[in-house]
Amino acid sequence: DIVLTQSPGTLSLSPGERATLSCRASQSVSSNYLAWYQQKPGQAPRLLISGPSIRATGIPDRFSGSGSGTVFTLTISRLEPEDFAVYYCQQYGRSNTFGQGTKLEIK
Amino acid sequence: QLQLQESGPGLVKPSETLSLTCTVSSGSIGTSLHYWGWIRQPPGKGLEWIGSIHYSGGTYFSPSLQSRITISVDTSKNQFSLNLTSVTTADTAMYYCARHSHSSPLLPFDYWGQGALVTVSS
Repeated sequence: DIVLTQSPGTLSLSPGERATLSCRASQSVSSNYLAWYQQKPGQAPRLLISGPSIRATGIPDRFSGSGSGTVFTLTISRLEPEDFAVYYCQQYGRSNTFGQGTKLEIK
Repeated sequence: QLQLQESGPGLVKPSETLSLTCTVSSGSIGTSLHYWGWIRQPPGKGLEWIGSIHYSGGTYFSPSLQSRITISVDTSKNQFSLNLTSVTTADTAMYYCARHSHSSPLLPFDYWGQGALVTVSS
């Protein structure tokens, strides 16, 4: 299985700041098949980005994804209060595996 | 708007079989190109993909769980189901059903159910 390692485990920032979340794969991700999800407490995950830079329907353009091979990044350009949540990456190029998550908390 | 809803027992005894059903509304499994999947999340932990199915019966399982998994589909009821055998306390989790974004089990999940909490305990 491809193992995804997300960093940092917790990121403390203030609204209006820029957030950069990392996802590293143990092997190259086929065709850059990587997605990002947001999960708020008590809710199911929500697809943000796939492929690895295509925003899902209704996702604001402050969310952007980039990367290739084994290193991928989710960037939130200006944090809104509703963006504080846990974020997961998923590779779907070979089976399906998820990272362990990054918690984005208010500083 | 497509909706998915998990249902099944919230408590299962160790060594028994966990059974869950996902009912899809505002969309038809039987005419859909999409694969449909199960994902779980132990309390306070991350996500783990379990397996996925197409209405034609094609399935794709997590290598680590495949020996204990059965996933089936009932197009007449617009449902798909998960059976996980020989459960232990490590199988305690929130279980989500979800839709892959198109006609492959190797795609992101674009619609999710709200989840069903299953506790394994005697």
